[in-house]
Amino acid sequence: EPEVTQTPSHQVTQMGQEVILRCVPISNHLYFYWYRQILGQKVEFLVSFYNNEISEKSEIFDDQFSVERPDGSNFTLKIRSTKLEDSAMYFCASSVKINTEAFFGQGTRLTVV
Amino acid sequence: AQSVAQPEDQVNVAEGNPLTVKCTYSVSGNPYLFWYVQYPNRGLQFLLKYITGDNLVKGSYGFEAEFNKSQTSFHLKKPSALVSDSALYFCAVRDTGNFNKFYFGSGTKLNVKP
Repeated sequence: EPEVTQTPSHQVTQMGQEVILRCVPISNHLYFYWYRQILGQKVEFLVSFYNNEISEKSEIFDDQFSVERPDGSNFTLKIRSTKLEDSAMYFCASSVKINTEAFFGQGTRLTVV
Repeated sequence: AQSVAQPEDQVNVAEGNPLTVKCTYSVSGNPYLFWYVQYPNRGLQFLLKYITGDNLVKGSYGFEAEFNKSQTSFHLKKPSALVSDSALYFCAVRDTGNFNKFYFGSGTKLNVKP
């Protein structure tokens, strides 16, 4: 069964460093998303991406964040200068249409120290 | 504003008994409703969805959910719980006014005891 894969599963970084979280969505999907879950809190929307551009972003997704689909298969989330409060589980997701269920990856646990 | 509420942080049920995990929603348009399950150290797995049609929808692993428009609810149910059903369950809604994102509930931890 096709699945969304994310790497790495766990990333530890120092405050102020740049991190790139990687995702390979399901191959025939057209809509891509990043969500995050701070420990003990809700799953929060970060950004949606379609046709090589951001279709919507939340207030969390400030200038420190960016997304890219560099080669037609990968979908990356970059955090330019990490803060302690960026520590969370980051989930990538994809869907074949805008109004269908999304399939989520297993997540990348980001720890900023 | 769009939102999803899961009023119970935890639900405990004995194996073999029926289970219900509650979810209510608030959206400005018509809701597209989803249930996801999260096992430890795993991602969110899709269980079932309601888009339109029959109010009772069936999903994976014997789960079903009932859409109730008047009560704005979408409770997850299973007639006979298994110990392996123990996990974190999330209700989510997509708003037909804005499909770009899911709104998730806070999650309900289901504990099924042998």
